[in-house]
Amino acid sequence: GDSVTQMEGPVTLSEEAFLTINCTYTATGYPSLFWYVQYPGEGLQLLLKATKADDKGSNKGFEATYRKETTSFHLEKGSVQVSDSAVYFCALESASKIIFGSGTRLSIRP
Amino acid sequence: DTEVTQTPKHLVMGMTNKKSLKCEQHMGHRAMYWYKQKAKKPPELMFVYSYEKLSINESVPSRFSPECPNSSLLNLHLHALQPEDSALYLCASSLAGNQLAKNIQYFGAGTRLSVL
Repeated sequence: GDSVTQMEGPVTLSEEAFLTINCTYTATGYPSLFWYVQYPGEGLQLLLKATKADDKGSNKGFEATYRKETTSFHLEKGSVQVSDSAVYFCALESASKIIFGSGTRLSIRP
Repeated sequence: DTEVTQTPKHLVMGMTNKKSLKCEQHMGHRAMYWYKQKAKKPPELMFVYSYEKLSINESVPSRFSPECPNSSLLNLHLHALQPEDSALYLCASSLAGNQLAKNIQYFGAGTRLSVL
């Protein structure tokens, strides 16, 4: 069945460092892809999405490009802030459902 | 207003209790969802309502009973739960339609449930 694999955390970076969180997927067809973020004590928020190959989703300085050839949707940010500390979930849409990856915890040191 | 409101924020219940979780949205969304999230795990889909009708039940035990009384409200009735049911229960809503999962889901902050 369809699935999402993302890099295990936790990931700890210093403020202003470059961030990459890897995500790859297995799916039939060409699903929409998402990154969700969960801040401590809160529900999930959609961070960005891409609906077709070569689309780039972007929001709040985060970017991810839908790569059909490598079945990947890696999340990047050029300069992270302490306020970016959260759990990040890569996800895809499959048969009326959202399939989530296992989540990557990100901690940013001041 | 992109808010999904869940009450209560925290709930402690015994295994013989009956309680309900509530979820409300006023975005005009006609699809609503219940998810269960255990610590350090991704959310797991439990139920989907589309136009107030149950469209997906992910083989959830009958001690969880969803209800959608109108297009803005979603309840989850709990009865005879087990300690392993302790988790964060998240509600979400989205536009409905043929390609349901392509629509952005807006999540509430969740109800943290502890079953003693």
